[in-house]
Amino acid sequence: GENVEQHPSTLSVQEGDSAVIKCTYSDSASNYFPWYKQELGKGPQLIIDIRSNVGEKKDQRIAVTLNKTAKHFSLHITETQPEDSAVYFCAATVNAGGTSYGKLTFGQGTILTVHP
Amino acid sequence: NAGVTQTPKFQVLKTGQSMTLQCAQDMNHEYMSWYRQDPGMGLRLIHYSVGAGITDQGEVPNGYNVSRSTTEDFPLRLLSAAPSQTSVYFCASRLKGRPLLSSGNTIYFGEGSWLTVV
Repeated sequence: GENVEQHPSTLSVQEGDSAVIKCTYSDSASNYFPWYKQELGKGPQLIIDIRSNVGEKKDQRIAVTLNKTAKHFSLHITETQPEDSAVYFCAATVNAGGTSYGKLTFGQGTILTVHP
Repeated sequence: NAGVTQTPKFQVLKTGQSMTLQCAQDMNHEYMSWYRQDPGMGLRLIHYSVGAGITDQGEVPNGYNVSRSTTEDFPLRLLSAAPSQTSVYFCASRLKGRPLLSSGNTIYFGEGSWLTVV
């Protein structure tokens, strides 16, 4: 089955700096790669996602890049703010056409702390 | 619009006790699932359901039972709680039939149920 490794496990940055979190996956058939943000006491919330036919996607201060050959994808947060402090999870799945369940395999999580 | 609702939020059980974690969604989602979250291990799939009357095992199903009698509800049962089941549990749901992508279909998570087994 799929295996997703996420690094680093903790990341501390100063407000305004950039933060990068990296994930590698093992199943070359995986075609959907979401990133979730989890605030304290809350459930994960999708912040950005990418499908395997796209190399990069950007949404304001966050971006995700995908390298299918190397089987890794990364989350980039620019101009970090204290409210970006949270746990971030990457995930991967095979989700062809939406007719299969598409079990998500999650990375281990990264605790991001943005210091004012 | 309630989304995915989990109850209880917090629970302490004694070893060997049984309990049910409730999950309900009001979005008419066919797919529902249960995950457990443990430190350093991300979220791991326990059981999932692709529709009423249909359930299947995920990555870590041992010690848990599920049923899906309605589209809205997907309870998770612990028949004989063990300390290894101390965890945070998340229920999730999404639509069937459309590929996952933020613009068309996404997974909605509940706020979690914190379970401690002593």
